[in-house]
Amino acid sequence: GENVEQHPSTLSVQEGDSAVIKCTYSDSASNYFPWYKQELGKGPQLIIDIRSNVGEKKDQRIAVTLNKTAKHFSLHITETQPEDSAVYFCAAPGGSNYQLIWGAGTKLIIKP
Amino acid sequence: KAGVTQTPRYLIKTRGQQVTLSCSPISGHRSVSWYQQTPGQGLQFLFEYFSETQRNKGNFPGRFSGRQFSNSRSEMNVSTLELGDSALYLCASSSTGTGVEKLFFGSGTQLSVL
Repeated sequence: GENVEQHPSTLSVQEGDSAVIKCTYSDSASNYFPWYKQELGKGPQLIIDIRSNVGEKKDQRIAVTLNKTAKHFSLHITETQPEDSAVYFCAAPGGSNYQLIWGAGTKLIIKP
Repeated sequence: KAGVTQTPRYLIKTRGQQVTLSCSPISGHRSVSWYQQTPGQGLQFLFEYFSETQRNKGNFPGRFSGRQFSNSRSEMNVSTLELGDSALYLCASSSTGTGVEKLFFGSGTQLSVL
């Protein structure tokens, strides 16, 4: 079945620096790749998503890149701020319909 | 617009009991998904409903069940609770109808089984 691997599990960066989180998927038929941010005590919140017919998408300080050949996609956060501290999850559609398969999550720590 | 509402926020039960969790989706959203989140297993898909029909079910035992009502509100039930059922149960709604795109999550129900 579909598998999504996410690295690193923890990422600590200096405020103002960039952060990159990478995910690899197994199902070459996957065509939609979202990224979610989860803050303590809350449910995941969609921050950006990309379809397989697009190589890159940006939204202010956040960008996602997709490499279909290598089957990986990455989240890029520039000019990190304290409010970026959270757990970030990548996901991809599962082999069965109507479900997402999730990466294990990356805890992003922004050091002041 | 109100977000996804899950009740109760916290639950403490003992082994062998059963529990019902409730989810009210965003108005107009007809797709409701349920996920279990644990530190060890991460986010695992439970089931997805659209217009009162269960379209998919994850790899969970039959003790886990759910339903969706005509107003799109959804409930999930866990019978004969086990210690391993302790988790955060998340509900998500979507307007796209795909069950995977543009999910809006509630804050979850934290279930502790003693």
